[in-house]
Amino acid sequence: SQKIEQNSEALNIQEGKTATLTCNYTNYSPAYLQWYRQDPGRGPVFLLLIRENEKEKRKERLKVTFDTTLKQSLFHITASQPADSATYLCALGDPNNAGNMLTFGGGTRLMVKP
Amino acid sequence: ETGVTQSPTHLIKTRGQQVTLRCSSQSGHNTVSWYQQALGQGPQFIFQYYREEENGRGNFPPRFSGLQFPNYSSELNVNALELDDSALYLCASSQTSGRPDTQYFGPGTRLTVL
Repeated sequence: SQKIEQNSEALNIQEGKTATLTCNYTNYSPAYLQWYRQDPGRGPVFLLLIRENEKEKRKERLKVTFDTTLKQSLFHITASQPADSATYLCALGDPNNAGNMLTFGGGTRLMVKP
Repeated sequence: ETGVTQSPTHLIKTRGQQVTLRCSSQSGHNTVSWYQQALGQGPQFIFQYYREEENGRGNFPPRFSGLQFPNYSSELNVNALELDDSALYLCASSQTSGRPDTQYFGPGTRLTVL
């Protein structure tokens, strides 16, 4: 069966360090992958989208990589700040499957300590 | 803020009852998706509506049904509520169906079934 795995344990890092979050998937051939940020009691907020033919995408302090051979995406936040503390969700998409339907991982909680 | 609104914010129902949740899409968006998010998990796709037609459905029973109106607002109806239906229900709007696109999530409705 299809599975998307994110580290369920919280990631604790010191302010200023680079946070790296992992998203692994099996039995899936996504056309694209998205990363979202979710704060407690709020809906997810879109951060980045990367397509299957792209290796890397950057936006300000954020960087996403997508390795379709390893079936893995890495999400990096450089120069992390306490305001980056949140749960980060990866989501896989296949436009051939119910339009924009996204399949989400369980999320990883990031805690950035001052 | 995404411009997607949901009502009510919180809701408490008892087992066997029926519930209707509402979503107002972001201006210019014709596609609405509904997700269920249990505590500590990622959102799970329920179904999507595109121009008032159901455009795809996840692994949810028929007692989960929906509607999309000409102004692209949407409703999620759940009949014969079960305890496991307790979750955060999220709607997300996007500009079009069938291609990679940012989904804009609302703040969610927290449903508790007793």
